[in-house]
Amino acid sequence: ILNVEQSPQSLHVQEGDSTNFTCSFPSSNFYALHWYRWETAKSPEALFVMTLNGDEKKKGRISATLNTKEGYSYLYIKGSQPEDSATYLCAFKTSGSRLTFGEGTQLTVNP
Amino acid sequence: EAGVVQSPRYKIIEKKQPVAFWCNPISGHNTLYWYLQNLGQGPELLIRYENEEAVDDSQLPKDRFSAERLKGVDSTLKIQPAELGDSAVYLCASSLGQHNEQFFGPGTRLTVL
Repeated sequence: ILNVEQSPQSLHVQEGDSTNFTCSFPSSNFYALHWYRWETAKSPEALFVMTLNGDEKKKGRISATLNTKEGYSYLYIKGSQPEDSATYLCAFKTSGSRLTFGEGTQLTVNP
Repeated sequence: EAGVVQSPRYKIIEKKQPVAFWCNPISGHNTLYWYLQNLGQGPELLIRYENEEAVDDSQLPKDRFSAERLKGVDSTLKIQPAELGDSAVYLCASSLGQHNEQFFGPGTRLTVL
């Protein structure tokens, strides 16, 4: 059984604050690490797919880093806005192709 | 380009009743997935199709759950009979091959009373 852990479970920040979440995953048989954003009543939206140790990816105010040797990834949001409020999911993939999701970090950005 | 379409978006039924969910993947995506998402947890894979073939259904509770993708495009997931514990969000996703990015639909939120 693959164990993917995310922390914190939930987070409340003020508009303008920067924040970050952690995703921990097994360091063996690594193939890819996915980050998704899931807003209530909408489809989960892919943010990043990361495959190489040391990868850093950025999309607007959101960025992510990957350390496959120690089994963790960080997601950063700079200058949080109310529209960033969502659940952020990470998912670990081995070469066997099944995605194993963490429980998510629920972010609320207060105006 | 249209995304993954699911219907219904919401369904409320009484326990022991049957229920079916429908998914239309992104055009050209040969791989289709059904996931179950319980409250406070991440999505868990129920079944994966490559075209019309179910290649990973080890997590599908086969006593009450069934799925089909007869022509390798649309798919239906059925529960018969539904139990209280089946209340959850059922997500469909598709991809261009098993190792490519998965695109998700909005899900069907099932409530079993």
